[in-house]
Amino acid sequence: AQSVAQPEDQVNVAEGNPLTVKCTYSVSGNPYLFWYVQYPNRGLQFLLKYITGDNLVKGSYGFEAEFNKSQTSFHLKKPSALVSDSALYFCAVIKIGGTGGSYIPTFGRGTSLIVHP
Amino acid sequence: DTGVSQDPRHKITKRGQNVTFRCDPISEHNRLYWYRQTLGQGPEFLTYFQNEAQLEKSRLLSDRFSAERPKGSFSTLEIQRTEQGDSAMYLCASSLAGLRDEQYFGPGTRLTVT
Repeated sequence: AQSVAQPEDQVNVAEGNPLTVKCTYSVSGNPYLFWYVQYPNRGLQFLLKYITGDNLVKGSYGFEAEFNKSQTSFHLKKPSALVSDSALYFCAVIKIGGTGGSYIPTFGRGTSLIVHP
Repeated sequence: DTGVSQDPRHKITKRGQNVTFRCDPISEHNRLYWYRQTLGQGPEFLTYFQNEAQLEKSRLLSDRFSAERPKGSFSTLEIQRTEQGDSAMYLCASSLAGLRDEQYFGPGTRLTVT
């Protein structure tokens, strides 16, 4: 079985400061990893994904994430936070390979990011 | 805007009634997914289609739930004999075939069962 943990329900950061939203995963094999963002009254929006290759992945709106296989983590980062980044962030994992070829992502519970002016 | 659309956005129903939700995916996407999301949780997978074929269903999808995608385009999710525990946000997402493809989500249908 695959699972995702987002250990922080809420992250608070001041505008202009760097931000990190944590994600760890558990999967019996190699993972595909995703970050999505959900703004109030909007659907989830794709931010970035890790498939293979460079461990540092760059995505939309200046966000990036670092894949760390030894720590089974995929933390979301941004060098300088904006108030408009305030939203709910979800990490998701898909297991690669195995039999059956499941394409179903498992999502974390989400982390609420609050950026203060 | 040619994104994923869902209808209705909100539905209030009495326990025991049947409800049906519709999802229109991005036109060139051949995969369509249904999820359920409750407060404080991430989306939980219910079922998915590749074209018109329903390929996988979660154990969350009891026999009161049925989903169709008759022509490989829009999809419907029906809940029969609704229960209060069915109250949730129902999300639809679509993607192109391929494990690497990110999903595009609709705004969701919020169901309240009274």
